[in-house]
Amino acid sequence: DAGVIQSPRHEVTEMGQEVTLRCKPISGHNSLFWYRQTMMRGLELLIYFNNNVPIDDSGMPEDRFSAKMPNASFSTLKIQPSEPRDSAVYFCASSDPTGELFFGEGSRLTVL
Amino acid sequence: AQSVAQPEDQVNVAEGNPLTVKCTYSVSGNPYLFWYVQYPNRGLQFLLKYITGDNLVKGSYGFEAEFNKSQTSFHLKKPSALVSDSALYFCAVRDMGPPDSWGKLQFGAGTQVVVTP
Repeated sequence: DAGVIQSPRHEVTEMGQEVTLRCKPISGHNSLFWYRQTMMRGLELLIYFNNNVPIDDSGMPEDRFSAKMPNASFSTLKIQPSEPRDSAVYFCASSDPTGELFFGEGSRLTVL
Repeated sequence: AQSVAQPEDQVNVAEGNPLTVKCTYSVSGNPYLFWYVQYPNRGLQFLLKYITGDNLVKGSYGFEAEFNKSQTSFHLKKPSALVSDSALYFCAVRDMGPPDSWGKLQFGAGTQVVVTP
């Protein structure tokens, strides 16, 4: 298996622009997680899905952030409009039934 | 609520010496504990986990962790460190809610390990 696949790996954009991050989980995993990593706040869980249904989005910072999972093999995290404080590495992870998380390589976002 | 604490921001060790990365936990009920490693510009990788059973858990790359219930600790250890072990290490505890939340892990702040030749 190719593992969790994220795109883009790097994104540089200007404040106010829309950003869309994409994730393809490991086939057969039924839970998907979006994390954000920064030096100041460490690793934060933003939202997670189980069987394509959002279960807990309490970590989503504000309404500018939204996430979708239209099917078992694809999820998006959208920021609109983006702000400089959104600059971070965003990780997608999927889990097997034992709860072990498998992380993608991350999307490094820079908002100027 | 479940939580873990990693008291050291950084651990420095010479190659060939034993490596220990500390983690303490706070949970209600039985803890499900994990260690992950992150190499530069990479995602986190699973090292090992404790669910139940033997207090000494063996994992990837020669790492092991010792679960100590009385001290509420789950320290990561390696008998002989390598320069290639230099990375960021995270301790994590599983949410104790329903099965569909079992992948929801609470991560510690991370400990940077630096192994010098």
